[in-house]
Amino acid sequence: QLVLTQSPSASASLGASVKLTCTLTSGRSSYAIAWHQQQPEKGPRYLMKFNSDGSHTKGDGIPDRFSGSSSGAERYLTISSLQSEDEADYYCQTWDTGIRVFGGGTKLTVL
Amino acid sequence: EVQLVESGGGLVQPGGSLRLSCAASGFTVTNNYMSWVRQAPGKGLEWVSVVSSSGTTHYADSVKGRFTVSRDNSKNALYLHMNSLRPVDTAVYYCARELTPGTFDIWGQGTMVTVSS
Repeated sequence: QLVLTQSPSASASLGASVKLTCTLTSGRSSYAIAWHQQQPEKGPRYLMKFNSDGSHTKGDGIPDRFSGSSSGAERYLTISSLQSEDEADYYCQTWDTGIRVFGGGTKLTVL
Repeated sequence: EVQLVESGGGLVQPGGSLRLSCAASGFTVTNNYMSWVRQAPGKGLEWVSVVSSSGTTHYADSVKGRFTVSRDNSKNALYLHMNSLRPVDTAVYYCARELTPGTFDIWGQGTMVTVSS
């Protein structure tokens, strides 16, 4: 079964950095994932696709403040120099033949 | 500009039907994998269905047998035909383009479906 696990919430101060975690099901540590941002009352926005080899493809206009990394079955989204507009829900997402899966999302609060 | 615009949402009674539309601009729907994703009020994102560039379709277990995805090349549009609707189907429905199979890179603004008597 393909499952992604995210912490429900995270918080960090304006100007600081935060690292969000997404954990793949055991045995699926080679899977690529994508990160999506959903600001309040808006539709999702694609941030990046992150492959297990460290390569990534960012969406148009996504600033360098957003970066991805990984360790084993964990995938990370790091946001540096936090701004107020970064307060949003962040979803990781992966796929296999005939199925797409989202993590439960992490609600990021910028203090 | 690459864009997706959904329409067709509304209030429908349990057991009823509805067809959602997703109009694409800036790219050709049939050249890409396209998905429908929904979000119940206050909840996270849930994948609903995908259609490949060759027309192969797959559905989440929660909608299998009730929902059908189709495309219209002449209108460059994607559709979601929803039958036997249940209150748990109440959600904002988004269409999304898959940059490469599995990676949603373009999202629509969503259309709200409410199933209630």
